[in-house]
Amino acid sequence: AQKVTQAQTEISVVEKEDVTLDCVYETRDTTYYLFWYKQPPSGELVFLIRRNSFDEQNEISGRYSWNFQKSTSSFNFTITASQVVDSAVYFCALSEAGDNYGQNFVFGPGTRLSVLP
Amino acid sequence: KAGVTQTPRYLIKTRGQQVTLSCSPISGHRSVSWYQQTPGQGLQFLFEYFSETQRNKGNFPGRFSGRQFSNSRSEMNVSTLELGDSALYLCASSFGGGSNEQYFGPGTRLTVT
Repeated sequence: AQKVTQAQTEISVVEKEDVTLDCVYETRDTTYYLFWYKQPPSGELVFLIRRNSFDEQNEISGRYSWNFQKSTSSFNFTITASQVVDSAVYFCALSEAGDNYGQNFVFGPGTRLSVLP
Repeated sequence: KAGVTQTPRYLIKTRGQQVTLSCSPISGHRSVSWYQQTPGQGLQFLFEYFSETQRNKGNFPGRFSGRQFSNSRSEMNVSTLELGDSALYLCASSFGGGSNEQYFGPGTRLTVT
């Protein structure tokens, strides 16, 4: 069965520090998709990134970067030079279903990030 | 284009009552998924609808049901409400493939007293 673990329940950093959020997943499928979402205090989940299991290239988007390592089943998320606006709960999610089988996302428990001024 | 909308945003109901929540997906999206979010259980998948058919279902009792209309709008119904049903109910839409990201609405906060 698929499972997503985010071992860090809460993290606090001071503004401008770098912070890495860990995500470890379990799946028996060879084709799967990984996602990161941000949930600010307003409550609405915001999509950040998608990765498929065949693409281990790391990705950088501004201050955000993602490190996908199949060997350790991890998909970690780093925020460089954190800002107060980054304060939110971050969720990692896994989708095993192929394109013909619909959607069944499994979300991790989330990591609450607090960035202090 | 407009995002996912959910109505109502807040609801207070009494145990034993039933409730219907509504979700309008992003234009062009045919898949609508529903999630329950609680502090203790996190984000849990309820079900997914695609082209008016339930395609996937999570582990929730039959009191939780849904449907999807021909315009892809979806409703979720909870009958015989229990205190434990108090939660944030989130709707997400997508193009429907397993590889597609989901876009979430603001949620409906349901309180059962």
